Amino acid sequence: GAVVSQHPSWVICKSGTSVKIECRSLDFQATTMFWYRQFPKQSLMLMATSNEGSKATYEQGVEKDKFLINHASLTLSTLTVTSAHPEDSSFYICSASKQAGTEAFFGQGTRLTVV
Amino acid sequence: DAKTTQPTSMDCAEGRAANLPCNHSTISGNEYVYWYRQIHSQGPQYIIHGLKNNETNEMASLIITEDRKSSTLILPHATLRDTAVYYCIRSGGGADGLTFGKGTHLIIQP
Repeated sequence: GAVVSQHPSWVICKSGTSVKIECRSLDFQATTMFWYRQFPKQSLMLMATSNEGSKATYEQGVEKDKFLINHASLTLSTLTVTSAHPEDSSFYICSASKQAGTEAFFGQGTRLTVV
Repeated sequence: DAKTTQPTSMDCAEGRAANLPCNHSTISGNEYVYWYRQIHSQGPQYIIHGLKNNETNEMASLIITEDRKSSTLILPHATLRDTAVYYCIRSGGGADGLTFGKGTHLIIQP
């Protein structure tokens, strides 16, 4: 398999602050990474596609100015939740594939709690 | 729209084979069937995938019907650690994210 790592595993922040979540592919390079969000007792929902060296592509209904994505290298994508509010509290998960169209490997997820 | 249908939950006795069905009657010719599982509060884990032929790896077997309208994931000797939500997903093999349905909550009973 392949290893995708997220940091931090959990974070608590105050309302109005920003939080950055990192997603790294540890043993392969990924030109594309994906960010998902999962609310309690619900399934994963794709938020955006992170493309190395270019702008991210956001799913309908996801605010690009609130969820900033940067994919500056072939092994790192970051998701910044800006001006976080309690309704942004969720489980954020990233994934990457060794090659486009092959199986995806997921990070362990980041539990964000906004108080 | 997940485009696959799975039972909401299933029970299986420890040590027995767990057979998880999935219906994907509108699957396209170029779409693969992928299976992932998610243990509580963790990221999903890849299990297996296939196009037409049955597949087997160290984790599971995947049986795809000849018309490709349904498939079954088989965990040959279920353990308590196999308790998880199992997702059956269609994917065209492009550089797109995955569409997750609600999956099947498999509970392995001691």
